[in-house]
Amino acid sequence: QKEVEQNSGPLSVPEGAIASLNCTYSDRGSQSFFWYRQYSGKSPELIMFIYSNGDKEDGRFTAQLNKASQYVSLLIRDSQPSDSATYLCAVGLDNYGQNFVFGPGTRLSVLP
Amino acid sequence: DGGITQSPKYLFRKEGQNVTLSCEQNLNHDAMYWYRQDPGQGLRLIYYSQIVNDFQKGDIAEGYSVSREKKESFPLTVTSAQKNPTAFYLCASQPGALHTGELFFGEGSRLTVL
Repeated sequence: QKEVEQNSGPLSVPEGAIASLNCTYSDRGSQSFFWYRQYSGKSPELIMFIYSNGDKEDGRFTAQLNKASQYVSLLIRDSQPSDSATYLCAVGLDNYGQNFVFGPGTRLSVLP
Repeated sequence: DGGITQSPKYLFRKEGQNVTLSCEQNLNHDAMYWYRQDPGQGLRLIYYSQIVNDFQKGDIAEGYSVSREKKESFPLTVTSAQKNPTAFYLCASQPGALHTGELFFGEGSRLTVL
């Protein structure tokens, strides 16, 4: 059974701080890794994707991948109250949605 | 504007009734997906379709049915055989090839069984 695990939270951070969200996965053959943000009652939207070991930065967001440890993380710098949402980690064998496994999500709360 | 439209947004069903959730996309995407989301759980794949007139079961297909008669449309029927249908249902799409893997989601349909 392929699994993706996330701390359900809530993770609370003060405004302006760095939020660190973590995700571990069980399938060593996984090749594609995605972070989605989902506001309450809304649909998920892609924040970042990463394929290679190391860091990938996009604005205030940094994705970190360590395939040896089967670990992917998302850092949010200068956290804003608008970042308060649930963050879903998705892991895939390839880029096709039928091969993705989603984690349960981590709820982030950024306190003003 | 291109996107995915799901309807209805909210739906109430009595036990024993079938209901159909609509999903229409104008992104010209080949692949379409139906996911179910329950509190505290990740998205789970119900059905997917890579091309018109073809679809495959996902991890939790029992009690559901789909059709793909047009590229733009991928309706999901929740049948009376689905034992616990109350959930948030998400339709998504992807281009056919050479893409980043991003799933494009509709706004979702929340089904409640009374």
